[in-house]
Amino acid sequence: QVQLVQSGGGVVQPGESLRISCAASGFTFSAYGMHWVRQAPGKGLEWLGVIWYDGSDKNYADSVKGRFIISRDNSKKMLYLQMNSLRVEDTAVYYCARDQRGFDPWGQGTLVSVSS
Amino acid sequence: QSVLTQPPSVSGAPGQRVTISCTGISSNIGSDVHWYQQLPGTVPKLLIYGNYNRPSGVPARFSGSKSGTSASLAITGLQAEDEADYYCQSYDGSLGSYVFGTGTKVTVL
Repeated sequence: QVQLVQSGGGVVQPGESLRISCAASGFTFSAYGMHWVRQAPGKGLEWLGVIWYDGSDKNYADSVKGRFIISRDNSKKMLYLQMNSLRVEDTAVYYCARDQRGFDPWGQGTLVSVSS
Repeated sequence: QSVLTQPPSVSGAPGQRVTISCTGISSNIGSDVHWYQQLPGTVPKLLIYGNYNRPSGVPARFSGSKSGTSASLAITGLQAEDEADYYCQSYDGSLGSYVFGTGTKVTVL
């Protein structure tokens, strides 16, 4: 079945870096754009960025532009989110999602906690 | 800060009809609007895509519509299992980014 399984995450200090991953299965990964979305504790959903199906283009939310980098390896069916210069306010559950006229499906979520 | 505004909460008794509005501007509501349901402690799930289409498996009591600079999600015949947070989402052509609504908590009385 169509599935996105995330890994990575954890607790880091402000200013540190972290990479989270998203493994796709059950569909032709290389044919779809992919998004990252986050949800801070008790808050709503925030779109972070998108990468084109072939990785040729990316677009980021202003809140993470210049700090976060989205990449993908179509040969491995993997999506990545490299997070640099992390801030306390980046604490959230991070989700990957397929671009499919709406975001569907979503990964299970990965908690990233930034704390000193 | 979201550019799509939703009421923080709506409530209704079992069997009633409730609607959730999603208000924006032409640069975002003019694009396809999608709706997501997030049950407590779970991953968001696509509920309506392309303004009014239901993915396979979504009950017919959920319906979407759009008019002008607003979109709406209606739940007809509210059930206890519908208690969740609901988010609208679209693409904002002026911002060049995807946007989510502020979210609405549905409570079944």
